Amino acid sequence: DAMVIQNPRYQVTQFGKPVTLSCSQTLNHNVMYWYQQKSSQAPKLLFHYYDKDFNNEADTPDNFQSRRPNTSFCFLDIRSPGLGDAAMYLCATSRPTGVHNEQFFGPGTRLTVL
Amino acid sequence: AQKVTQAQTEISVVEKEDVTLDCVYETRDTTYYLFWYKQPPSGELVFLIRRNSFDEQNEISGRYSWNFQKSTSSFNFTITASQVVDSAVYFCALSEAGYYGGATNKLIFGTGTLLAVQP
Repeated sequence: DAMVIQNPRYQVTQFGKPVTLSCSQTLNHNVMYWYQQKSSQAPKLLFHYYDKDFNNEADTPDNFQSRRPNTSFCFLDIRSPGLGDAAMYLCATSRPTGVHNEQFFGPGTRLTVL
Repeated sequence: AQKVTQAQTEISVVEKEDVTLDCVYETRDTTYYLFWYKQPPSGELVFLIRRNSFDEQNEISGRYSWNFQKSTSSFNFTITASQVVDSAVYFCALSEAGYYGGATNKLIFGTGTLLAVQP
C-alpha cells in the first residue's frame, strides 16, 4: 500500500544532542510537510517542500532544519534539542495538482528529550 | 487572522449514541477550504473530509455527516450510532492559501476534541 513512513516511531535524545527524524513516502507526492504537535495541542506547521523548494514558517526556530535529497525522502534535523522540543513530529504529503488537496500523514515520531 | 475553534475539549458517550463535534472558524478569505481529520491513539492523522467555501451542501458518508454553515462560520461533524472504534481526537482545520497558487497549503488546526466512546 502507498503510504507515508516515519522512522523511528520513538526517539530519545539528550539535551543539546543533535537528532534526525526521517520520513519517506511511496505516494510520489511533490509536497512534503513537517508538523510539530505538543501534548494535547494542535499540529503546527514547521516547514514544507514543494519538490526542492523549501518553505520555512516565519516562527519556526533556527534550531530546526530540513533536507529533502529526493522525492521520496525528507529529514527533520534538530541541531540542539531543548526540553521544549519534546513533541510528536508528523510528516505529511500532498499532491500539487488541484487546489488545497488533503494531506496524508505518517504515524509520527515521538521525541523525548532528557 | 485565520483561526479554528473547537470548544469541546472532551466528549464521552456510550456506544450507539449520536454525537456532534463543533467547529467554528475565522477567516478573511472568500475562498477557503475546511477539513476534518481523525487522530486515533496510534497517532496518525486520518483525512475524513474536505469542503470548499462555495459548497454548503451537507455531506453524509456512512455514519458520518457534516453540516457546513457559512452564516455562522461553522463546520460541525456528527457521528451517528457511535462505536468504540470512533474513539479518537478529531481535528477541524482551515486551509490557508498562498503557496504556489494553492498547490501547497498550510493547515490551521483547531485544538481538537477527544471523543471517548464507552462500550
